[in-house]
Amino acid sequence: GQQVMQIPQYQHVQEGEDFTTYCNSSTTLSNIQWYKQRPGGHPVFLIQLVKSGEVKKQKRLTFQFGEAKKNSSLHITATQTTDVGTYFCAGPRNYGQNFVFGPGTRLSVLP
Amino acid sequence: NAGVTQTPKFQVLKTGQSMTLQCAQDMNHNSMYWYRQDPGMGLRLIYYSASEGTTDKGEVPNGYNVSRLNKREFSLRLESAAPSQTSVYFCASSGGREAFFGQGTRLTVV
Repeated sequence: GQQVMQIPQYQHVQEGEDFTTYCNSSTTLSNIQWYKQRPGGHPVFLIQLVKSGEVKKQKRLTFQFGEAKKNSSLHITATQTTDVGTYFCAGPRNYGQNFVFGPGTRLSVLP
Repeated sequence: NAGVTQTPKFQVLKTGQSMTLQCAQDMNHNSMYWYRQDPGMGLRLIYYSASEGTTDKGEVPNGYNVSRLNKREFSLRLESAAPSQTSVYFCASSGGREAFFGQGTRLTVV
């Protein structure tokens, strides 16, 4: 079936270091979304990428959608303690009107 | 603007008990979803409703039933709770783009 994978599963960084999480889909996606979930919280939408090769930035966060529209990445420059949480990518499921989520990457930032 | 509201926030059930998780959204979204989240497993879709009056199974529907009561409300029922259903449950809604999540229900089945 359709799968979305993410690596790494966990990442521990020192505050100020950069962080990248990668998302790979078993199928071509029409778009990809990224969500952030703070510890004890609920997923919150960050961004949607639609075009092949698209790059979008939100302050210290840079999102990329691969040329083949099967992979994506999220890069955080100079992490801060406020970046702590789990980052999920999600794509539309091939059937039905719903999303398939990756397992997430949990980011810890040591002050 | 409340967004997506779930009740209850916490619940402890004994094996075999039944309960209904309530979810309501005030964004006039057509699509609503129920996910469960287990450590290391991400978000797994239990059931979804693409519009009022329709429901469809997701990845892990066994042991659950749902009702799309109206456009606003989408409930999830556990008829006979099992320890394997211990999880955090999220309701979400979408107007065609991103999903908006409720605060979650932390359910423990003992």
